[in-house]
Amino acid sequence: GDSVTQMEGPVTLSEEAFLTINCTYTATGYPSLFWYVQYPGEGLQLLLKATKADDKGSNKGFEATYRKETTSFHLEKGSVQVSDSAVYFCALSDGGGYQKVTFGTGTKLQVIP
Amino acid sequence: GAGVSQSPRYKVAKRGQDVALRCDPISGHVSLFWYQQALGQGPEFLTYFQNEAQLDKSGLPSDRFFAERPEGSVSTLKIQRTQQEDSAVYLCASTGPGNNEKLFFGSGTQLSVL
Repeated sequence: GDSVTQMEGPVTLSEEAFLTINCTYTATGYPSLFWYVQYPGEGLQLLLKATKADDKGSNKGFEATYRKETTSFHLEKGSVQVSDSAVYFCALSDGGGYQKVTFGTGTKLQVIP
Repeated sequence: GAGVSQSPRYKVAKRGQDVALRCDPISGHVSLFWYQQALGQGPEFLTYFQNEAQLDKSGLPSDRFFAERPEGSVSTLKIQRTQQEDSAVYLCASTGPGNNEKLFFGSGTQLSVL
């Protein structure tokens, strides 16, 4: 079945540091890939997405590129802020007619001033 | 409403009790999903509705779990004879045509079974 593997946290960075959170996936067919974010006390929300190979999703300074050859979708940001502290989930949708999403286990990011 | 609303926010149940968790999706959203999120884990798919039809219930962990959406809007997830392993956050999400695979999540119901 479909699965998503992401790096374990927590990840602690100083403000303005470079962020990478690794994510790899296993899926049949051609899934869509997502990063969701969960800020403290809030619900999950979509951060960015990519629907086909070599697509780059971007939002709020975060980027991720759909790499079919390495089955990866790593999340990056050039300069993190304290407000980016949250739990980040890599996810995929198998495109089977409805948006059934499979999530990774999440990576907690803590940014310190 | 402005977003997906879930109630109660917190629920404490004694082992063996029945519980009912409510989800109010965004108005007009056809698709509704329930997910279970254990502590420190990602959400796990439970079930999917398209309007009032339950099209996928492959993620329900046992026959103690039952979900319904009789009028195609509000949904209820019922857990009978709760067990300690049912303790988790239960998330509801909805999406409509044109949202292009974006799920809108509620804040969840945190269930603790003692």
